[in-house]
Amino acid sequence: DAGVIQSPRHEVTEMGQEVTLRCKPISGHDYLFWYRQTMMRGLELLIYFNNNVPIDDSGMPEDRFSAKMPNASFSTLKIQPSEPRDSAVYFCASSPWENRASYEQYFGPGTRLTVT
Amino acid sequence: TQLLEQSPQFLSIQEGENLTVYCNSSSVFSSLQWYRQEPGEGPVLLVTVVTGGEVKKLKRLTFQFGDARKDSSLHITAAQPGDTGLYLCAGGRTYKYIFGTGTRLKVLA
Repeated sequence: DAGVIQSPRHEVTEMGQEVTLRCKPISGHDYLFWYRQTMMRGLELLIYFNNNVPIDDSGMPEDRFSAKMPNASFSTLKIQPSEPRDSAVYFCASSPWENRASYEQYFGPGTRLTVT
Repeated sequence: TQLLEQSPQFLSIQEGENLTVYCNSSSVFSSLQWYRQEPGEGPVLLVTVVTGGEVKKLKRLTFQFGDARKDSSLHITAAQPGDTGLYLCAGGRTYKYIFGTGTRLKVLA
């Protein structure tokens, strides 16, 4: 299995531009998570989906952020317009969630976003 | 508000030494996980503990979940350079995991 695939691995953009991050979860996993990691705030959950439906987006920082999952094998996280404070590493993770008491998340390699 | 505090934040030790990393919270969690993250990669799950007082061993790593399910520890015996990385604990609440502040470990050869 190729694992969770994210693209691009690195993105440098100017303030005000639209940024789209992409994720392909592991086949057969019902849950998909988007996280953001910074030195100051650590790893934060932004949003997660179950069977392509957004379940909890309480971590999305503001309206400039949006996420979609049009099918079971693809998700996007969009920032429009981007700001320097959005600079971070964004991770996508997926999970089969077979056990409600606990579940294993498989993380992708991340996208390092720099907004200048 | 950071629900999970890890200590120490940074740790640099010599190969062969023992160490313990702590994960503390005032909140109760249904389960707790430990991850290791290497530079340029995503976190990788090491263990999940679900029962208060539970102890799990993974080779030289020993994980313990506190009796009240509010804290956890990770003990590494005879650390090796390959143990170098960022160690993250994550507490499970209402179907999602909240990650701790992280402990950055460096093991010198």
